[in-house]
Amino acid sequence: SQKIEQNSEALNIQEGKTATLTCNYTNYSPAYLQWYRQDPGRGPVFLLLIRENEKEKRKERLKVTFDTTLKQSLFHITASQPADSATYLCALDMDMGRRALTFGSGTRLQVQP
Amino acid sequence: DGGITQSPKYLFRKEGQNVTLSCEQNLNHDAMYWYRQDPGQGLRLIYYSQIVNDFQKGDIAEGYSVSREKKESFPLTVTSAQKNPTAFYLCASSSAVSNQPQHFGDGTRLSIL
Repeated sequence: SQKIEQNSEALNIQEGKTATLTCNYTNYSPAYLQWYRQDPGRGPVFLLLIRENEKEKRKERLKVTFDTTLKQSLFHITASQPADSATYLCALDMDMGRRALTFGSGTRLQVQP
Repeated sequence: DGGITQSPKYLFRKEGQNVTLSCEQNLNHDAMYWYRQDPGQGLRLIYYSQIVNDFQKGDIAEGYSVSREKKESFPLTVTSAQKNPTAFYLCASSSAVSNQPQHFGDGTRLSIL
């Protein structure tokens, strides 16, 4: 069955360091992948979208890579700040027939001052 | 400002009672979605609608019902047939064009009395 895996353990890093989060998927070749940020008690907020023919996408301190051979996306936050602390979710179009995203369970990032 | 409004923020249900969660958007989006999120888990798709007067079941539709009579509104009813309704419910919308980001409301937390 199709599956999306994100590290369920929280990632703790020091302020100023680069945070790297991983999203792995199986049994499917998505046309695109999206990353969202979710704060406690709030809805997810869209951050970046990367297409299958794009290897890398950047937005300010954020960088996303998409390796369709490894079936993996990496999400980087450079010069991390305590305000970056949140849960980060990846989402893929796992079933083109229904035009709806499938979300991973998310990885919680904690940036220590 | 454009966005998605979910109400109420908190909702309590008695055993055997149906409850309806409201979702309104003023983004002029054709597609709308309902997700359920349980602690430590990702978002699971309940129902989605690509156009007015049409909707499809997601992965966990049993015990839920929806309607889409207006483009702006996509209410979700949690019926008494849903045996474990306690969860955080999120509504989202997007352009009907595939690979567009989803915009989320801030959710409704439903609890059983």
